[in-house]
Parts: sequence; structure tokens; C-alpha cells
Amino acid sequence: SAVISQKPSRDICQRGTSLTIQCQVDSQVTMMFWYRQQPGQSLTLIATANQGSEATYESGFVIDKFPISRPNLTFSTLTVSNMSPEDSSIYLCSVEGLAGRVDTQYFGPGTRLTVL
Amino acid sequence: RKEVEQDPGPFNVPEGATVAFNCTYSNSASQSFFWYRQDCRKEPKLLMSVYSSGNEDGRFTAQLNRASQYISLLIRDSKLSDSATYLCVVSRSGNTGKLIFGQGTTLQVKP
Repeated sequence: SAVISQKPSRDICQRGTSLTIQCQVDSQVTMMFWYRQQPGQSLTLIATANQGSEATYESGFVIDKFPISRPNLTFSTLTVSNMSPEDSSIYLCSVEGLAGRVDTQYFGPGTRLTVL
Repeated sequence: RKEVEQDPGPFNVPEGATVAFNCTYSNSASQSFFWYRQDCRKEPKLLMSVYSSGNEDGRFTAQLNRASQYISLLIRDSKLSDSATYLCVVSRSGNTGKLIFGQGTTLQVKP
């Protein structure tokens, strides 16, 4: 089965700094997404990472705060900008289109971010 | 009202018990339905898709009632390793891929 990896797996950051999270898939996929899971909560979609064009953001999320890149069909990055303690969360990428399953998403292992 | 609602539990059951989780969704345009399992400090993993005809995978049975906008998951002969949070997940459209997650139901299976 395909492998989805994220880097870093965890980080502790200072307020006001930015962190870029990478998501790598070992096979080409049609869709890539970024989610946030705040402590004790379920997952919330941040945006759809579109290959070769600007990401599509969900309500409450903006490009200035969460810039996203997707240069090809196997890789995407999410940047959490100008961080505050409220950004402490787990950030997960997911992919769709693995093994021909067009309507099923599989998740990376997540990046656990703590902002001091 | 949340778009996908689940009883958060926790459900504490003995090994071997049968346990059922329920989920309701509010958007009648929802097209695809899933149960994911999430272990503590891990990512969600797909447990099974849910079809209108119902589907079974070993000890797990999922049912969908579109008229009532209701999804269920039945676990028979519970194992200690079934302890996890079970997430009810709904997709509005297979093309856009937007998943809406319920808050999850926590299951603790005890010896």
C-alpha cells in the first residue's frame, strides 16, 4: 500500500514564527488536503491543495495564515504563519485517489505542533 | 447544529460484547459515508465505507439509512484492540473530496 509521510512529526515553536509542514506520497494522487485537529476535537478541513494552482480554502481559513503549495502530484506543503498558542494542534495531510479509490481519503501520520 | 453528530461516549464494554454506534447527518446532499478509527495520538484510519445496502467486514457491520440520514456501526465480539475513537465521516461529493467529521465516539473494551 502507498506510504504517506509528513515532516516534521512534531515541533515546538515560538509565538510569531512560521512552520512549514511537508507531506509526501510515494505514488501519484489526484487530490491532497490539509486538516487540523485541535486538542480534544475532531478534524476540520483547512484547504484542498491544488496541483499547479492556488489552494481552495474552507471558511475560516485564509491563504495569508496557511499558505499551501502543491508543485506536483506527490508532494504538498502547509505553512502555519505568524503562529500563536491557538495554532497548537495536529496538522494532517490526506490524499484521495490511491489505488483507484476516487472517493476515499487516507491520512498521513500528522504533525503535532505546540506554540509557546 | 453540527453537520455530523455522534454520541461521544465513552462506551465501556467487556470483551466479547456487541456494541453499536450511531451517527446522524444533516445535509441530504451527502453522497459518501465512512467510518474511520483513530487511536490515541495517531492519524485516522479508514475502517470501512458505508453503503445503502449495508456492508459487513468480519466483526464489523455498517448500515446507512438515507431517508433518516442515519449511519450505524455494529461491532460484535469486541476485542481489547477495538478500543479507539470511531469517527463517522460524510462526504458531500466524491469529486470535491470534502469530508465532514463527527466528533467521534470513544470505545473502551475492558478485560
